[in-house]
Amino acid sequence: GQNIDQPTEMTATEGAIVQINCTYQTSGFNGLFWYQQHAGEAPTFLSYNVLDGLEEKGRFSSFLSRSKGYSYLLLKELQMKDSASYLCAEDSNYQLIWGAGTKLIIKP
Amino acid sequence: DAGVTQSPTHLIKTRGQHVTLRCSPISGHKSVSWYQQVLGQGPQFIFQYYEKEERGRGNFPDRFSARQFPNYSSELNVNALLLGDSALYLCASSLEAVRGVSTDTQYFGPGTRLTVL
Repeated sequence: GQNIDQPTEMTATEGAIVQINCTYQTSGFNGLFWYQQHAGEAPTFLSYNVLDGLEEKGRFSSFLSRSKGYSYLLLKELQMKDSASYLCAEDSNYQLIWGAGTKLIIKP
Repeated sequence: DAGVTQSPTHLIKTRGQHVTLRCSPISGHKSVSWYQQVLGQGPQFIFQYYEKEERGRGNFPDRFSARQFPNYSSELNVNALLLGDSALYLCASSLEAVRGVSTDTQYFGPGTRLTVL
């Protein structure tokens, strides 16, 4: 998607920690979503950040820096079921602009 | 509670035909958005409807149209289908229209896989 950058693919080991980065253009920014999408399925909501800082939700945490146009999703204690694509989406001028997604591969 | 439902699940059409995709939002949700997702890419925004009015339109040709009914369900219509229209079409519902607040969280249906031959 336009204006959103995230790595195409990442590989991590079961039980480890992985950080998926997302950069976006700051004009018209209202908030930043993270979604998880398993192959062949619809995206499911993970987090929504409006203010700067880290929000923790179980094994998943999301961070936002509005001044830098930067967010990351942190996944701890990785499980095989976490293998999926992770999409960041910018709420910009009241429309969602999506990144292409980061395919996360978990190895045992 | 039922989530977002879409029909049909899969659809095969030929070039030049017309297709109608349907979506029922989560009960109580007033906003429906439509997205096109090509394999390996993120969703591309097509339309957003709120309270039966179009609130946003993405960069798609006029062959794409949509409407929202009084019960908040929605239809996406695509005319004169092209091979490039083959994609997963996702419907997402939210409580309100996208306004930059947490109630705008969009919940997705399972999608309709459209194949154009």
